Amino acid sequence: DTAVSQTPKYLVTQMGNDKSIKCEQNLGHDTMYWYKQDSKKFLKIMFSYNNKELIINETVPNRFSPKSPDKAHLNLHINSLELGDSAVYFCASRGPGQNQETQYFGPGTRLLVL
Amino acid sequence: AQKITQTQPGMFVQEKEAVTLDCTYDTSDPSYGLFWYKQPSSGEMIFLIYQGSYDQQNATEGRYSLNFQKARKSANLVISASQLGDSAMYFCAMRGFYSSASKIIFGSGTRLSIRP
Repeated sequence: DTAVSQTPKYLVTQMGNDKSIKCEQNLGHDTMYWYKQDSKKFLKIMFSYNNKELIINETVPNRFSPKSPDKAHLNLHINSLELGDSAVYFCASRGPGQNQETQYFGPGTRLLVL
Repeated sequence: AQKITQTQPGMFVQEKEAVTLDCTYDTSDPSYGLFWYKQPSSGEMIFLIYQGSYDQQNATEGRYSLNFQKARKSANLVISASQLGDSAMYFCAMRGFYSSASKIIFGSGTRLSIRP
């Protein structure tokens, strides 16, 4: 009964490849996020969707494209992977209901670009 | 602009002692929320505690309490009776409520190590 799940957990790939990371939440939340955590542990928001609508789009290369087929899913597709894309990518979700301000995180996807 | 500052990159504490992790923030939003997350070596982000800017009392969750001082713009995390399992990175975070599209921002984290 995992609340926020991500697949895959680990992703090792070559530079130039295209890859996708999937995220699903079963909390009934209506807002979902993608974060990137770099090697220095700094967490930065990339995108946010509310009810399948993009509401936050930080300065992220357009090689990164989020897609939200429904409220429970937010996927991240990355084209032409670069060495600097190596990081841990976290999905998170929030509200409504009790604790609606709190974001709950998935386990993370560790991406290594060779 | 919003900003979160955690000035302690690392801390060592003896087991069973209390520990305070510092966090200061800056925002122009009239209402906002403050959060603390724990990230153990396994990598997951675990929510610990939440404080709303208009909450009358400081938040508590088990051994965690948030020492919220609004005038000083500080939201320190206090862990009582520390345990070996408390060794982890701890992140302070904030979200302003002015806009539903406002984002949560994180501090740079404090690495807490508990000595047996």
